[in-house]
Amino acid sequence: EPEVTQTPSHQVTQMGQEVILRCVPISNHLYFYWYRQILGQKVEFLVSFYNNEISEKSEIFDDQFSVERPDGSNFTLKIRSTKLEDSAMYFCASSDLVRGQPQHFGDGTRLSIL
Amino acid sequence: AQSVTQPDIHITVSEGASLELRCNYSYGATPYLFWYVQSPGQGLQLLLKYFSGDTLVQGIKGFEAEFKRSQSSFNLRKPSVHWSDAAEYFCAGSNSGGSNYKLTFGKGTLLTVNP
Repeated sequence: EPEVTQTPSHQVTQMGQEVILRCVPISNHLYFYWYRQILGQKVEFLVSFYNNEISEKSEIFDDQFSVERPDGSNFTLKIRSTKLEDSAMYFCASSDLVRGQPQHFGDGTRLSIL
Repeated sequence: AQSVTQPDIHITVSEGASLELRCNYSYGATPYLFWYVQSPGQGLQLLLKYFSGDTLVQGIKGFEAEFKRSQSSFNLRKPSVHWSDAAEYFCAGSNSGGSNYKLTFGKGTLLTVNP
């Protein structure tokens, strides 16, 4: 069964550094998403991406965050200057055309900011 | 505002016992509803989904869920729990109209299975 693949599985970064989280969505999917889950808290929506542009973003997704689909397969989340509170598990998800659902998730990248 | 509520943070059941995990939603219109499961260190695996039609939906691993509009609920059930079902379970919803497809998650219910 096709899967969403995320790399790396764990990223440790110094505060203030830039980090790029990578995702390979399921190949025929058209909607892409990033979510995060701070330890012990609920999964929160960050951003959705369709037709090469952001379709919706949450208030968490401020100017420090950006997303890109640099080629036909990868979908990246960049955090420009990381803060301690960015430490979380970041999930990528993708879905096909039917109203963007259901969403299929990767195993996540655990981001630890020191 | 849209919300999904899972009233139970932690549930413990014995292996072989039946299971029901509760989920309530608050949306302006009937949302799409989902249950996901997360094993430790793993991602979110889709168990089942409700879009419309039959209010009892079947999923993987022997799970089912029933949509009840009158109670704004979408509870997950399994008749006989296996030790491998121990995990965290998340209920989620999304709009069924417009172009806003983000998922709103509940806080999750941690399931412990006793031998």
